[in-house]
Amino acid sequence: RKEVEQDPGPFNVPEGATVAFNCTYSNSASQSFFWYRQDCRKEPKLLMSVYSSGNEDGRFTAQLNRASQYISLLIRDSKLSDSATYLCVVNIITSSGAQKLVFGQGTRLTINP
Amino acid sequence: GAVVSQHPSWVICKSGTSVKIECRSLDFQATTMFWYRQFPKQSLMLMATSNEGSKATYEQGVEKDKFLINHASLTLSTLTVTSAHPEDSSFYICSARDLTSGGIYEQYFGPGTRLTVT
Repeated sequence: RKEVEQDPGPFNVPEGATVAFNCTYSNSASQSFFWYRQDCRKEPKLLMSVYSSGNEDGRFTAQLNRASQYISLLIRDSKLSDSATYLCVVNIITSSGAQKLVFGQGTRLTINP
Repeated sequence: GAVVSQHPSWVICKSGTSVKIECRSLDFQATTMFWYRQFPKQSLMLMATSNEGSKATYEQGVEKDKFLINHASLTLSTLTVTSAHPEDSSFYICSARDLTSGGIYEQYFGPGTRLTVT
């Protein structure tokens, strides 16, 4: 089982639509959770951290369910500029005590005019 | 925000040669830097964790003698791909953790280096 699994996508939605991404993680000891955005041939950029209480940043809402080991990202009123690959990322603690980020395979989103 | 640079941004080399990639944290100090590799249409895979002044920690399946990592200062880590082969062609991305980030675990990513081995 992969440590972080995401919807395979791709998602093609019209401008203005609401789109939701889901992600599950396998390591129950995971401490921190993030959504990153990656544009084609570019490095990933942090979109938002994900907290147990849920958090919102403008049109973006992220939620975490620790019991189900499930993370979600909701994008409302999607814009053409939202087209990108969205990466679910989990910070895990290794057996040696080191921290590392584990990336999901990403979900490609295309917003159509 | 914190800035991480990489050099070169792209490189083409012949099979059998070695290529060095630099990763610098420009406005903060980083005791730990990370090297990732991303093949087309795949996600980032951690190759190794680079600690300033000590040996790098490699992920399972990554050859430490082929991918040499040096982290000589708090602002610079280098990755050398030795005896490169076409299958090493990939997008190599480094990231660095800000010492002052405290309990918030956040990495800042460099712009990546696209390596093509012919």
